Amino acid sequence: LAKTTQPISMDSYEGQEVNITCSHNNIATNDYITWYQQFPSQGPRFIIQGYKTKVTNEVASLFIPADRKSSTLSLPRVSLSDTAVYYCLVGDVGYKLSFGAGTTVTVRA
Amino acid sequence: NAGVTQTPKFQVLKTGQSMTLQCAQDMNHNSMYWYRQDPGMGLRLIYYSASEGTTDKGEVPNGYNVSRLNKREFSLRLESAAPSQTSVYFCASSPGLAGGNYEQYFGPGTRLTVT
Repeated sequence: LAKTTQPISMDSYEGQEVNITCSHNNIATNDYITWYQQFPSQGPRFIIQGYKTKVTNEVASLFIPADRKSSTLSLPRVSLSDTAVYYCLVGDVGYKLSFGAGTTVTVRA
Repeated sequence: NAGVTQTPKFQVLKTGQSMTLQCAQDMNHNSMYWYRQDPGMGLRLIYYSASEGTTDKGEVPNGYNVSRLNKREFSLRLESAAPSQTSVYFCASSPGLAGGNYEQYFGPGTRLTVT
C-alpha cells in the first residue's frame, strides 16, 4: 500500500496561491496521483489527477517531479470557499485506497 | 443524472440492532466502494466491488457485510451494531481502476449513531 504524507494544516489569505506537497516514496510504476477536496458534511470531490510532469485544469495544477516520490497541488488565487480538507491519494493494486488525514486548508479574508 | 445516492441520510441504532445502508449509482460505473469517516479523520475503506459480482475487503471490514446487488447497487450491512461503528458512511463509484487510473464519485453520506 503506497503511503502518503502531507501537512496536517495550512493557513492562507484570499487571493494567495496555496501549494500542498504530498510525499509518496513507495509509489509504484503504474500508480497515478489523485487529489480530492472535502467540505464539512459532504463526500470528497475529485480535483485533479496526474502521472508525471504537470497537469492543469480549471481548478488546480498538479506538479510531479521526475522521480514521482512527491507531488504538489497548487490552488491559484484561493477564496474563502476553498477552505476544505485536501487529500492526496496514490493508486494501489487491489483498489485498497487510503485517504489519510488530509491537509486542512483555511483561507482567511 | 443523480450520481451516487445513499439512504438513509441519518440513522440511530441501539447496540446489537442490524441495518442495511443502501447505495445506488446511475453513471454505469463498474466499481463501487464503502468508506467510513470518523470525526476528524480521513476516510477508511470498508469494502469494495471492482465489478458486478465481486466484492473484496478493504482496510476495516470487521463487523460489516456487503452485497453488490447489480451494477447499480451496492449495500452495506451491519449485523450487530456496536458503538464503535458510529461514523459517517460514504459510498462511492468509479468507472474502473484499469492501469491505476481512477476517479471516484461520492455520495452525500449516511450519519450513523449507535447508542
